Amino acid sequence: DADVTQTPRNRITKTGKRIMLECSQTKGHDRMYWYRQDPGLGLRLIYYSFDVKDINKGEISDGYSVSRQAQAKFSLSLESAIPNQTALYFCATSGTRKNIQYFGAGTRLSVL
Amino acid sequence: DQQVKQNSPSLSVQEGRISILNCDYTNSMFDYFLWYKKYPAEGPTFLISISSIKDKNEDGRFTVFLNKSAKHLSLHIVPSQPGDSAVYFCAASASSNYQLIWGAGTKLIIKP
Repeated sequence: DADVTQTPRNRITKTGKRIMLECSQTKGHDRMYWYRQDPGLGLRLIYYSFDVKDINKGEISDGYSVSRQAQAKFSLSLESAIPNQTALYFCATSGTRKNIQYFGAGTRLSVL
Repeated sequence: DQQVKQNSPSLSVQEGRISILNCDYTNSMFDYFLWYKKYPAEGPTFLISISSIKDKNEDGRFTVFLNKSAKHLSLHIVPSQPGDSAVYFCAASASSNYQLIWGAGTKLIIKP
């Protein structure tokens, strides 16, 4: 089983809909991250959390919100999806070696 | 402004030869550098890293070189194998916050 699991793997939605992407991990790591990847660009940080009570905005947080329900669970929500949020979304975790992050397989989101 | 740049979107190398992937950065606060490998439909996986106190780190077929004065790092793969065909991302972080800043990636194709 994967250490970092993202659901769903693929999602198509319509403009204006609220959508939630979920991430769970079995690595026991405190730090969790949400990134998006667009063609020709590197991964860009949306939100990150150092523990259940510590959530921080990343480079591109506008239009997104997150919830850290437990140490193992970190969800990303798009309150009102728009087409330019069409992208590949990755969840990641890090532990004692803070620089090294471990990734889920990604969620491919299309907003029509 | 991109702080981490991978100027080659793709690279094609004959099997058995050396693959050299390059990465440049602009932020002098970066003190830790990582290479990740990504296959289609999977998340990035950590490959090798280097701290700014070193100029070389080797792990099997993979070696990363860091030239701090030029703000340049490179990943050498010797010998290249078909399974090395993937997208390679360079990432950098500063110990002040451990956030990873990513390059856009280089697609490596190993020809038989």
